[in-house]
Amino acid sequence: KAGVTQTPRYLIKTRGQQVTLSCSPISGHRSVSWYQQTPGQGLQFLFEYFSETQRNKGNFPGRFSGRQFSNSRSEMNVSTLELGDSALYLCASSTGQGKETQYFGPGTRLLVL
Amino acid sequence: GEDVEQSLFLSVREGDSSVINCTYTDSSSTYLYWYKQEPGAGLQLLTYIFSNMDMKQDQRLTVLLNKKDKHLSLRIADTQTGDSAIYFCAESIPGNTGKLIFGQGTTLQVKP
Repeated sequence: KAGVTQTPRYLIKTRGQQVTLSCSPISGHRSVSWYQQTPGQGLQFLFEYFSETQRNKGNFPGRFSGRQFSNSRSEMNVSTLELGDSALYLCASSTGQGKETQYFGPGTRLLVL
Repeated sequence: GEDVEQSLFLSVREGDSSVINCTYTDSSSTYLYWYKQEPGAGLQLLTYIFSNMDMKQDQRLTVLLNKKDKHLSLRIADTQTGDSAIYFCAESIPGNTGKLIFGQGTTLQVKP
């Protein structure tokens, strides 16, 4: 089975712009979770989608949003980018039912200038 | 509360055993995980243990869980230079779907 894929792998944006990141889960997985990884804060949970619905949400401002499509692919959007949004954004997929073992993609590295 | 703690750095010689430790605070944790991250890469799932188990062995990896002390450890036998990476422990909590709570990560340095 193919693993979790994320596109793009690298992005450079300027403050105030918006960005959309994409995640394709492992075939058959219906849950996609998003995390932000920074040197200062470590790995922090953004939100989780299951069957096109947001099922759980972390403590991030409303500038961070997501959605999931009927094929389980997910997108994450950050509007009005700030310098502090520079991070590695990781998505993970799981079956979403019972045991929540998550398999991670390679991440999208976002640099905000 | 939700908190996972790890020591930040461990250095070992090639061929030695490595032991990476983790403590967590939420006693309702169901599964506890170990992930490995190499530079510039995502997280690779190494192994996991269900909270009603004490030990799990998987080739060179041994996971020990002390539920009373909320302490988790990962032992890597015969550590190789390719094991140099950051290791994260993580917990999942019932009712908190899709969310893993991660420690800060332990950087393992393996010297030849």
